Parts: sequence; structure tokens; C-alpha cells
Amino acid sequence: GAVVSQHPSWVICKSGTSVKIECRSLDFQATTMFWYRQFPKQSLMLMATSNEGSKATYEQGVEKDKFLINHASLTLSTLTVTSAHPEDSSFYICSARGRDIQYFGAGTRLSVL
Amino acid sequence: DAKTTQPNSMESNEEEPVHLPCNHSTISGTDYIHWYRQLPSQGPEYVIHGLTSNVNNRMASLAIAEDRKSSTLILHRATLRDAAVYYCILYVASGTYKYIFGTGTRLKVLA
Repeated sequence: GAVVSQHPSWVICKSGTSVKIECRSLDFQATTMFWYRQFPKQSLMLMATSNEGSKATYEQGVEKDKFLINHASLTLSTLTVTSAHPEDSSFYICSARGRDIQYFGAGTRLSVL
Repeated sequence: DAKTTQPNSMESNEEEPVHLPCNHSTISGTDYIHWYRQLPSQGPEYVIHGLTSNVNNRMASLAIAEDRKSSTLILHRATLRDAAVYYCILYVASGTYKYIFGTGTRLKVLA
């Protein structure tokens, strides 16, 4: 089946720094990718839809200046958490839209100290 | 966005069948029913999907009610590796293509 690679799988950073997370579709082209965040014991919450070559569409309540999304190619979308703070600590998951379903990455655990 | 309702948790004995229900009373004619599962600290994994007819694959079966307002994911013989959170999602294969995750069902498999 199709594979989505997410990197890094785990990152620790200091408060105030920025962190970039990459999401790659390895064996197919994805015009649309999605970014989710998940807090412990909770469900996935959709943050934004990333469209190749255009601006991302953010869900209500998600700060677009805080969570910068770039989808510059058909196989790569990046999420940058700018000026991270401890409350941004979470599990971030990307997915890529395939023909019939979405394929998910393994997730990135972000810990902000 | 159409919503799904699932029990918060279920338990099953190992090697017994498991029926995981999902209610989606506001489903529209073009909504597909997708099931994923998520193991701890991993991304969701695709299980099965369908539109109107029942579906089978190597992982599971999906039984869809005639009125499509509910569906059931069937694991024929639960193993310890099937312990996960199972999500039932309504998917519109056009427009935004978004998945909206509900709370899911946490399945515990007892040895």
C-alpha cells in the first residue's frame, strides 16, 4: 500500500523556537495533504488542509501564523510550529489523500520545554 | 460535516469475533463509510471502507445497514495486536476530502 513518511518522529525544543515537521508521500503524488494534532487520550483534530501550489486551508480556531504550512511539491508538505510554547506540545500527524482513502504518517511527538 | 457515534470502549476475548458498531444517522447518499484504527503513539491505519454493500478484506468485514444509518466493523478473530482505538469516519469523495474523526472505540482484547 501507499506509504507516507513523517519526520522527525520525536522532537524536543526550547520555548520560543520554531520546529519544522515534514510529511512525504513516498510512492504516489498527493495534491492534498492534511495536518492533525492529537492530545493524550483524545481523538485526532484536523488542523488544516494543505494543497499543492496554493495556500493551506485552516480549520476554525487554528492560528495560521502559528502553524505555517507549505506544500511546494506533490510529495512534500511541511508544518512549522513557530515560536513554540509548552501548550503546543502534542502529537502531530499528517496524511495524504490517495485515490479512495487517506494514508497517514506515523506522527511526530513534539515536546516544548 | 456528518457525525458518527461510537461506544467509548469495548472488550473482547482473544480469538473471538468482535462487532464494533457505528451510528451515522445523518449520512448522505454520497458519503463513504471508512474505518481506521490507531495503535498507541502511531498514526491511524486503514482498515476498510464501503458505500452501500457489505465489504470484506483480509483485516475485517464491514456490514452496512440497509438504510445506511449505521454500520458494524467485524473482526473475525480478535488477537492481542487488534487492541487499538477504532474510528468510523464519513468521507465525501469530493470537495474538501476531509476526514472528521469522532471519539472512536477503544478495543481491549483479553488474553
